Amino acid sequence: SQQGEEDPQALSIQEGENATMNCSYKTSINNLQWYRQNSGRGLVHLILIRSNEREKHSGRLRVTLDTSKKSSSLLITASRAADTASYFCATDARETSGSRLTFGEGTQLTVNP
Amino acid sequence: KAGVTQTPRYLIKTRGQQVTLSCSPISGHRSVSWYQQTPGQGLQFLFEYFSETQRNKGNFPGRFSGRQFSNSRSEMNVSTLELGDSALYLCASSLGKNTEAFFGQGTRLTVV
Repeated sequence: SQQGEEDPQALSIQEGENATMNCSYKTSINNLQWYRQNSGRGLVHLILIRSNEREKHSGRLRVTLDTSKKSSSLLITASRAADTASYFCATDARETSGSRLTFGEGTQLTVNP
Repeated sequence: KAGVTQTPRYLIKTRGQQVTLSCSPISGHRSVSWYQQTPGQGLQFLFEYFSETQRNKGNFPGRFSGRQFSNSRSEMNVSTLELGDSALYLCASSLGKNTEAFFGQGTRLTVV
């Protein structure tokens, strides 16, 4: 089955710096979604980018999608300590009939004050 | 608009017992999906319901089952619990395919 991969697995930066996380996947997709998870809690939806889109912005977040390389990146600008969390990408495969997300392994981001 | 609500938040069960978890989706959402999250396997899809019908099923044993009611609320049941079923169970609701999926806070199940 499709399995996403994120890199890096862990990222530690200082407040104010930018953080970039990458995600790769294997099959054709309808969309790719990014989520944030604080320790042991639910997933917070950050952004959805559709397969016909190349870039999307939301506040301090910028997501890119390259369907030819089957990859996406999430950029968080001017990071804050509150951005410390795990970040996951999830893909909605074109081949499945309903809603079924396949998640990457996640990137643990630590923002040091 | 209220978000996705999962109950209970925490559960401790004994091996061999069964458990039922509940999920109330965002108003107007007809798709409800369930996921299991463990440190070893990550986030894995269990199943999806849409208008009371199971549309997709992940690779889990038959001990894991679910249902959806006419008001879109969903329950998942795990029978004959095993230690390996200890996990965070997450529910997501959406309008349907190719739309944003919003998650609840999860139910932390511990099997002892």
